[in-house]
Amino acid sequence: AAGVIQSPRHLIKEKRETATLKCYPIPRHDTVYWYQQGPGQDPQFLISFYEKMQSDKGSIPDRFSAQQFSDYHSELNMSSLELGDSALYFCASRAGGGGYEQYFGPGTRLTVT
Amino acid sequence: AQSVAQPEDQVNVAEGNPLTVKCTYSVSGNPYLFWYVQYPNRGLQFLLKYITGDNLVKGSYGFEAEFNKSQTSFHLKKPSALVSDSALYFCAVRGPYPSSNTGKLIFGQGTTLQVKP
Repeated sequence: AAGVIQSPRHLIKEKRETATLKCYPIPRHDTVYWYQQGPGQDPQFLISFYEKMQSDKGSIPDRFSAQQFSDYHSELNMSSLELGDSALYFCASRAGGGGYEQYFGPGTRLTVT
Repeated sequence: AQSVAQPEDQVNVAEGNPLTVKCTYSVSGNPYLFWYVQYPNRGLQFLLKYITGDNLVKGSYGFEAEFNKSQTSFHLKKPSALVSDSALYFCAVRGPYPSSNTGKLIFGQGTTLQVKP
Protein backbone atom coordinates (compact mmCIF):
# COMPACT_ATOMS: atom_id res chain seq x y z
CA ALA A 1 0.00 0.00 0.00
CA ALA A 2 1.13 3.51 -0.75
CA GLY A 3 2.51 5.46 2.17
CA VAL A 4 3.31 9.06 2.94
CA ILE A 5 6.48 10.19 1.20
CA GLN A 6 8.77 12.83 2.60
CA SER A 7 11.83 14.39 1.05
CA PRO A 8 14.57 14.85 1.73
CA ARG A 9 15.12 12.27 4.47
CA HIS A 10 18.09 14.11 5.85
CA LEU A 11 19.04 17.76 5.61
CA ILE A 12 21.96 19.67 7.03
CA LYS A 13 21.82 23.44 7.06
CA GLU A 14 23.70 26.25 8.69
CA LYS A 15 22.22 28.87 10.97
CA ARG A 16 20.24 31.57 9.16
CA GLU A 17 19.83 29.43 6.06
CA THR A 18 16.48 28.31 4.64
CA ALA A 19 15.08 24.82 4.18
CA THR A 20 12.15 23.34 2.30
CA LEU A 21 10.62 20.04 3.32
CA LYS A 22 8.24 18.20 1.04
CA CYS A 23 5.41 15.81 1.78
CA TYR A 24 3.37 13.64 -0.57
CA PRO A 25 0.28 12.25 1.17
CA ILE A 26 -1.34 8.92 0.59
CA PRO A 27 -3.49 9.10 -2.56
CA ARG A 28 -7.03 10.35 -1.89
CA HIS A 29 -6.08 11.68 1.52
CA ASP A 30 -7.26 15.28 1.72
CA THR A 31 -5.70 16.42 4.99
CA VAL A 32 -2.01 16.91 5.71
CA TYR A 33 -0.39 17.57 9.09
CA TRP A 34 3.12 18.65 10.03
CA TYR A 35 4.71 17.72 13.34
CA GLN A 36 8.09 18.49 14.89
CA GLN A 37 9.81 15.97 17.14
CA GLY A 38 12.82 17.17 19.09
CA PRO A 39 15.37 14.73 20.50
CA GLY A 40 13.76 12.52 23.11
CA GLN A 41 10.46 14.37 22.85
CA ASP A 42 6.96 13.66 21.66
CA PRO A 43 5.78 15.03 18.32
CA GLN A 44 4.38 18.56 18.46
CA PHE A 45 1.75 19.73 16.01
CA LEU A 46 2.80 22.58 13.74
CA ILE A 47 0.16 23.12 11.07
CA SER A 48 -2.44 21.31 8.99
CA PHE A 49 -4.18 21.69 5.64
CA TYR A 50 -7.52 20.43 4.39
CA GLU A 51 -8.33 20.64 0.71
CA LYS A 52 -5.41 23.03 0.14
CA MET A 53 -6.53 25.47 2.83
CA GLN A 54 -4.85 25.91 6.20
CA SER A 55 -7.13 24.25 8.72
CA ASP A 56 -5.29 24.53 12.01
CA LYS A 57 -2.14 26.02 13.43
CA GLY A 58 -0.08 24.99 16.39
CA SER A 59 3.20 26.14 17.82
CA ILE A 60 4.75 27.01 14.49
CA PRO A 61 7.31 29.83 14.51
CA ASP A 62 6.63 32.85 12.31
CA ARG A 63 9.84 31.94 10.45
CA PHE A 64 8.07 28.84 9.15
CA SER A 65 5.38 28.75 6.49
CA ALA A 66 3.63 25.96 4.69
CA GLN A 67 1.17 25.32 1.94
CA GLN A 68 -0.68 22.53 0.23
CA PHE A 69 -0.72 22.42 -3.54
CA SER A 70 -3.35 21.41 -6.08
CA ASP A 71 -1.96 17.86 -6.20
CA TYR A 72 -2.28 17.73 -2.37
CA HIS A 73 1.43 17.62 -1.71
CA SER A 74 2.61 20.01 0.96
CA GLU A 75 5.79 21.95 1.61
CA LEU A 76 7.13 23.34 4.86
CA ASN A 77 9.39 26.32 4.36
CA MET A 78 11.74 27.25 7.14
CA SER A 79 13.78 30.44 7.13
CA SER A 80 16.43 31.99 9.36
CA LEU A 81 17.16 28.56 10.77
CA GLU A 82 18.25 28.31 14.37
CA LEU A 83 20.10 25.56 16.20
CA GLY A 84 16.89 24.77 18.06
CA ASP A 85 15.15 23.90 14.81
CA SER A 86 17.17 20.70 14.64
CA ALA A 87 14.56 17.97 14.88
CA LEU A 88 12.68 15.27 13.07
CA TYR A 89 9.85 16.71 10.99
CA PHE A 90 6.95 14.44 10.24
CA CYS A 91 4.21 14.79 7.75
CA ALA A 92 1.01 12.82 8.21
CA SER A 93 -2.07 12.45 6.08
CA ARG A 94 -5.65 11.51 6.83
CA ALA A 95 -8.47 10.35 4.68
CA GLY A 96 -11.66 12.33 4.54
CA GLY A 97 -15.06 10.85 5.22
CA GLY A 98 -14.59 9.93 8.85
CA GLY A 99 -11.12 8.44 8.84
CA TYR A 100 -9.74 9.56 12.18
CA GLU A 101 -6.26 8.06 12.21
CA GLN A 102 -3.28 9.77 10.67
CA TYR A 103 -0.61 7.98 8.70
CA PHE A 104 2.89 9.28 9.14
CA GLY A 105 5.76 9.55 6.74
CA PRO A 106 9.30 8.48 7.64
CA GLY A 107 10.25 12.02 8.58
CA THR A 108 12.92 14.50 7.56
CA ARG A 109 15.81 14.83 9.98
CA LEU A 110 16.95 18.44 9.94
CA THR A 111 20.28 19.30 11.48
CA VAL A 112 21.19 22.96 11.86
CA THR A 113 24.86 23.67 12.50
CA ALA B 1 -7.42 21.14 27.54
CA GLN B 2 -6.86 17.75 25.97
CA SER B 3 -3.88 15.82 27.24
CA VAL B 4 -2.58 12.32 27.68
CA ALA B 5 -0.03 11.07 30.16
CA GLN B 6 2.19 8.04 29.98
CA PRO B 7 3.43 7.51 33.51
CA GLU B 8 6.25 5.10 32.63
CA ASP B 9 9.32 6.16 30.70
CA GLN B 10 10.26 2.52 30.16
CA VAL B 11 8.61 -0.85 30.47
CA ASN B 12 10.65 -4.04 30.58
CA VAL B 13 9.13 -7.43 29.92
CA ALA B 14 10.38 -10.89 29.06
CA GLU B 15 9.54 -12.37 25.70
CA GLY B 16 6.38 -14.43 25.86
CA ASN B 17 5.00 -12.54 28.85
CA PRO B 18 2.02 -10.19 28.64
CA LEU B 19 2.78 -6.51 28.34
CA THR B 20 0.93 -3.34 29.34
CA VAL B 21 1.85 0.22 28.43
CA LYS B 22 -0.18 2.72 30.40
CA CYS B 23 -1.94 5.86 29.22
CA THR B 24 -4.35 8.17 31.00
CA TYR B 25 -6.23 10.99 29.38
CA SER B 26 -7.89 14.27 30.20
CA VAL B 27 -10.39 15.60 27.70
CA SER B 28 -13.40 17.81 27.39
CA GLY B 29 -16.04 15.95 25.49
CA ASN B 30 -15.73 12.48 24.03
CA PRO B 31 -12.19 11.12 23.85
CA TYR B 32 -10.75 10.05 20.52
CA LEU B 33 -7.68 8.02 21.50
CA PHE B 34 -4.87 6.47 19.52
CA TRP B 35 -1.74 4.39 19.95
CA TYR B 36 1.30 4.73 17.70
CA VAL B 37 4.63 2.92 17.68
CA GLN B 38 7.94 4.40 16.60
CA TYR B 39 10.97 2.32 15.70
CA PRO B 40 14.41 3.99 15.66
CA ASN B 41 14.81 6.48 12.83
CA ARG B 42 11.35 5.65 11.52
CA GLY B 43 8.00 7.36 11.35
CA LEU B 44 5.10 6.67 13.65
CA GLN B 45 3.01 3.65 12.79
CA PHE B 46 -0.67 3.58 13.68
CA LEU B 47 -1.63 0.66 15.94
CA LEU B 48 -5.23 1.23 16.98
CA LYS B 49 -7.85 3.77 17.94
CA TYR B 50 -10.86 4.21 20.18
CA ILE B 51 -13.65 6.40 18.88
CA THR B 52 -16.77 4.80 20.25
CA GLY B 53 -18.20 1.36 20.85
CA ASP B 54 -16.56 -1.61 22.53
CA ASN B 55 -14.13 -0.76 25.27
CA LEU B 56 -11.67 -3.40 24.06
CA VAL B 57 -10.10 -2.33 20.80
CA LYS B 58 -8.01 -4.66 18.68
CA GLY B 59 -5.25 -3.35 16.47
CA SER B 60 -2.23 -4.29 14.45
CA TYR B 61 0.47 -6.86 15.34
CA GLY B 62 -1.65 -8.48 18.06
CA PHE B 63 -1.97 -5.33 20.15
CA GLU B 64 -5.16 -4.31 21.87
CA ALA B 65 -6.19 -1.51 24.17
CA GLU B 66 -8.80 -1.19 26.86
CA PHE B 67 -10.75 2.03 27.18
CA ASN B 68 -11.86 2.70 30.76
CA LYS B 69 -13.99 5.79 31.13
CA SER B 70 -14.20 5.74 34.92
CA GLN B 71 -10.42 5.55 35.24
CA THR B 72 -9.82 7.77 32.19
CA SER B 73 -7.33 5.24 30.91
CA PHE B 74 -6.47 3.68 27.58
CA HIS B 75 -3.79 1.07 28.31
CA LEU B 76 -2.08 -0.79 25.48
CA LYS B 77 -1.79 -4.54 25.91
CA LYS B 78 -0.46 -7.63 24.24
CA PRO B 79 -0.89 -11.18 25.55
CA SER B 80 2.57 -12.39 24.54
CA ALA B 81 5.43 -9.97 23.89
CA LEU B 82 7.98 -10.40 21.13
CA VAL B 83 11.53 -9.05 21.06
CA SER B 84 10.55 -7.25 17.86
CA ASP B 85 7.94 -5.28 19.83
CA SER B 86 10.78 -3.31 21.43
CA ALA B 87 10.16 0.29 20.38
CA LEU B 88 8.84 3.66 21.53
CA TYR B 89 5.08 3.80 22.05
CA PHE B 90 2.99 6.96 22.00
CA CYS B 91 -0.53 7.45 23.21
CA ALA B 92 -2.38 10.35 21.56
CA VAL B 93 -5.67 12.18 21.80
CA ARG B 94 -7.41 14.29 19.23
CA GLY B 95 -7.21 18.00 19.94
CA PRO B 96 -10.05 19.95 21.54
CA TYR B 97 -12.74 21.78 19.63
CA PRO B 98 -12.29 23.50 17.23
CA SER B 99 -9.11 21.52 16.59
CA SER B 100 -11.16 18.38 16.98
CA ASN B 101 -12.66 19.24 13.63
CA THR B 102 -9.25 19.26 12.04
CA GLY B 103 -7.96 16.21 13.82
CA LYS B 104 -4.61 17.35 15.16
CA LEU B 105 -3.09 14.92 17.63
CA ILE B 106 -1.70 15.63 21.07
CA PHE B 107 0.85 13.04 22.12
CA GLY B 108 1.97 11.68 25.44
CA GLN B 109 5.61 11.66 26.41
CA GLY B 110 6.19 8.18 25.04
CA THR B 111 7.10 4.89 26.70
CA THR B 112 10.04 2.77 25.65
CA LEU B 113 9.18 -0.90 25.61
CA GLN B 114 12.08 -3.29 26.03
CA VAL B 115 11.34 -6.96 25.46
CA LYS B 116 14.17 -9.24 26.49
CA PRO B 117 14.68 -12.75 25.13
